[in-house]
Amino acid sequence: AQSVTQPDARVTVSEGASLQLRCKYSYSGTPYLFWYVQYQRQGLQLLLKYYSGDPVVQGVNGFEAEFSKSDSSFHLRKASVHWSDSAVYFCAASITNAYKVIFGKGTHLHVLP
Amino acid sequence: GALVYQYPRRTICKSGTSMRMECQAVGFQATSVAWYRQSPQKTFELIALSTVNSAIKYEQNFTQEKFPISHPNLSFSSMTVLNAYLEDRGLYLCGAFGGNTLYFGAGTRLSVL
Repeated sequence: AQSVTQPDARVTVSEGASLQLRCKYSYSGTPYLFWYVQYQRQGLQLLLKYYSGDPVVQGVNGFEAEFSKSDSSFHLRKASVHWSDSAVYFCAASITNAYKVIFGKGTHLHVLP
Repeated sequence: GALVYQYPRRTICKSGTSMRMECQAVGFQATSVAWYRQSPQKTFELIALSTVNSAIKYEQNFTQEKFPISHPNLSFSSMTVLNAYLEDRGLYLCGAFGGNTLYFGAGTRLSVL
């Protein structure tokens, strides 16, 4: 079955530290992959997306993600986090040319000032 | 850029009454719109996928009789929650597809008294 797994429910890092949020997908073939961020009590904002090509994609606010077909992963990274990055981050995937997007359960990022 | 406006942002209704939420895509054509509900545990449930000029596809546990959706053109969609009860509480998110990317509105938070 198609699925997206975010193994870490909560991640706590200090401001200025580097960050990696993990995402694993289970799809036949290569899906479209996304990372969204949800700030407290708000909707979802798209951080970045991967369709094909360069496996490292750049997003907003210094975020990037790397697609790995061999590992079925799409981990999100940031070199230096800011306290304002505290939010819930969702990894999502959809099948090429399909409109059903499946979400992971989210990772709550807490950045210590 | 691609923007999705969703309103109202918050609504409170009495148990057994109904409420309607609306979603508008600006800057792109939303051929498909997905309605999600986010539970208090933050997980996303896909309610239905609506494509202009096609039948609306409801997911298991969601029905047209409970969540009727209208998608009359490429920029607008609405969904009604009929006979709302406590279990219908949550954040309802409208996602509009621009190409293969899903852009979200800010959500409608439904409280039921």
